[in-house]
Amino acid sequence: SQQGEEDPQALSIQEGENATMNCSYKTSINNLQWYRQNSGRGLVHLILIRSNEREKHSGRLRVTLDTSKKSSSLLITASRAADTASYFCATDATTGGFKTIFGAGTRLFVKA
Amino acid sequence: SQTIHQWPATLVQPVGSPLSLECTVEGTSNPNLYWYRQAAGRGLQLLFYSVGIGQISSEVPQNLSASRPQDRQFILSSKKLLLSDSGFYLCAWSVNIGAFSNQPQHFGDGTRLSIL
Repeated sequence: SQQGEEDPQALSIQEGENATMNCSYKTSINNLQWYRQNSGRGLVHLILIRSNEREKHSGRLRVTLDTSKKSSSLLITASRAADTASYFCATDATTGGFKTIFGAGTRLFVKA
Repeated sequence: SQTIHQWPATLVQPVGSPLSLECTVEGTSNPNLYWYRQAAGRGLQLLFYSVGIGQISSEVPQNLSASRPQDRQFILSSKKLLLSDSGFYLCAWSVNIGAFSNQPQHFGDGTRLSIL
């Protein structure tokens, strides 16, 4: 079963609006990461948040982590058409071996 | 700076033909290396990972194999392709810190494989 599952599956917003994507996971983690994928390209690492952190910022990105609810959110502020992409959360597991598990992603479309 | 090269970008192969996809990393030593497959509109499925030369771990039973003949070279192979092998194949690397830790992974631009 999926360790990380993103919600919503797809999101369409106007340029300038904020975009919020959520990720839920099932087991305890060491850290959680967010990645971006432009159509037909590889994934690009955006941000890593450790299990003892609650919030992290990078430019227009804000990530929160709630380990009690086993969930994380990615907020993109003042979105741009160039932010159109798929966004994935990725988690490890504190048990179960050497693996990072990616969710199915949220497809974000920002209309100019 | 580190770079990762993956080729070819696209590949169309007949059923039953062999496969060899290559991935090389530059600018780092002893990286962890990964092969993923991504179905259309879906997340990534880890196929193989390697923590060193000749050390390959397989995540799912399948028609594919992987090899790491050199420190920064990772090869995905098949002797006979199946229709179900179609997909988008991604290679990635991460820093090897000696024990598993969910380090950021850096991806190549992928190979889109179509089996006819």
